[in-house]
Amino acid sequence: GDSVTQMEGPVTLSEEAFLTINCTYTATGYPSLFWYVQYPGEGLQLLLKATKADDKGSNKGFEATYRKETTSFHLEKGSVQVSDSAVYFCALLHQGGSEKLVFGKGTKLTVNP
Amino acid sequence: KAGVTQTPRYLIKTRGQQVTLSCSPISGHRSVSWYQQTPGQGLQFLFEYFSETQRNKGNFPGRFSGRQFSNSRSEMNVSTLELGDSALYLCASSLAGGVYGYTFGSGTRLTVV
Repeated sequence: GDSVTQMEGPVTLSEEAFLTINCTYTATGYPSLFWYVQYPGEGLQLLLKATKADDKGSNKGFEATYRKETTSFHLEKGSVQVSDSAVYFCALLHQGGSEKLVFGKGTKLTVNP
Repeated sequence: KAGVTQTPRYLIKTRGQQVTLSCSPISGHRSVSWYQQTPGQGLQFLFEYFSETQRNKGNFPGRFSGRQFSNSRSEMNVSTLELGDSALYLCASSLAGGVYGYTFGSGTRLTVV
């Protein structure tokens, strides 16, 4: 079945450091890929998405590129801020099929001033 | 515009009882999904409704059920509660499906004692 594997962390960085959170997936066909973020005590927020190979999703300084050849969708940000501290989830969804998001386990990011 | 509203925010129930959780999607959104979030299992898909029809169901026992009303509001019900049902239950809505990205509510924290 479909699955998503992401580095579980926790990840601790200093403000303005470079962030990479790795995400790889296993799925048949061509799923859509997402990054969601969860702040303490809240639900998930869509951070960015990509629906086909080589698409780059970007939002709030975060970027991720859909790499079909390596089945990856790594999240990057050039300079993190304290306000980026949260849990980040990578997820996939099959287009035109089951409306079920398959999530990774989540990566907790803490950014220190 | 108003986001996805889930009520109640917190619930404490006793084993063997039943519980009903409510979700009001963003106005105009016709797809509503439910997820269970636990520290051990992460985020798991429960079911998805579109225009009052259940389109997809996850691998949960029949004690978990749901429905969607004509105004797109949704409820999920868990009967004969077990300790393992303690979790954060998240509702998410979308215009027509997850490829557009889901908007999540803040969740209902259910504790079974």
